[in-house]
Amino acid sequence: QVQLVESGGGVVQPGGSLRLSCAASGFTFSSYGMHWVRQAPGKGLEWVAFIRYDGSNKYYADSVKGRFTISRDNSKNTLYLQMNSLRAEDTAVYYCAIATVRGLDYWGQGTLVTVSS
Amino acid sequence: DIVMTQTPLSSPVTLGQPASISCRSSQSLVHSDGNTYLSWLQQRPGQPPRLLIYKISNRFSGVPDRFSGSGAGTDFTLKISRVEAEDVGVYYCTQATQFPITFGQGTRLEIK
Repeated sequence: QVQLVESGGGVVQPGGSLRLSCAASGFTFSSYGMHWVRQAPGKGLEWVAFIRYDGSNKYYADSVKGRFTISRDNSKNTLYLQMNSLRAEDTAVYYCAIATVRGLDYWGQGTLVTVSS
Repeated sequence: DIVMTQTPLSSPVTLGQPASISCRSSQSLVHSDGNTYLSWLQQRPGQPPRLLIYKISNRFSGVPDRFSGSGAGTDFTLKISRVEAEDVGVYYCTQATQFPITFGQGTRLEIK
């Protein structure tokens, strides 16, 4: 079955960096685009970034453009999100999700990022 | 950016009764390929979101047939024919017609 497992979250100071990972299994990872979506505590969903199946195209929300970088390693079935210059407003649970013609098909359980001094 | 507006934001419903959530987009969600990439997500308490409905009215794998979607252009509706206890949670509409992908504010479904 499809499984997405995020990791790498934690507590980081403002201005710091963190790299999130999303380990995929149960489907052909190299055939699908992938998203990162976040959810601040008690708030709604906010799309963060998307990468095409082959990494050839990437899109970002304006709120993270220039600070976050999405990437993937198809040989390792893993999606990444490099987050630099972190701010308090980046505090959220970060989810990875599979992109298909249907939308955001399957979601991981999420990893919590807390930006605080 | 396409703004997605849901109503109501909170919906108290009696078990066994129907529920309906509306979603309006600030511009048409019809893609140049002819498809409308409007979907509905369910997020139960403490859980990640889960895809319920895609391309307006198609139920995702394993979704009970009491859930249905309808609409066109800029106006869409999610209906639950008979609410069950396991339906409690927050429902989001979302569009993937163009980047950035955007979500509605969420509608909290609770049992009266």
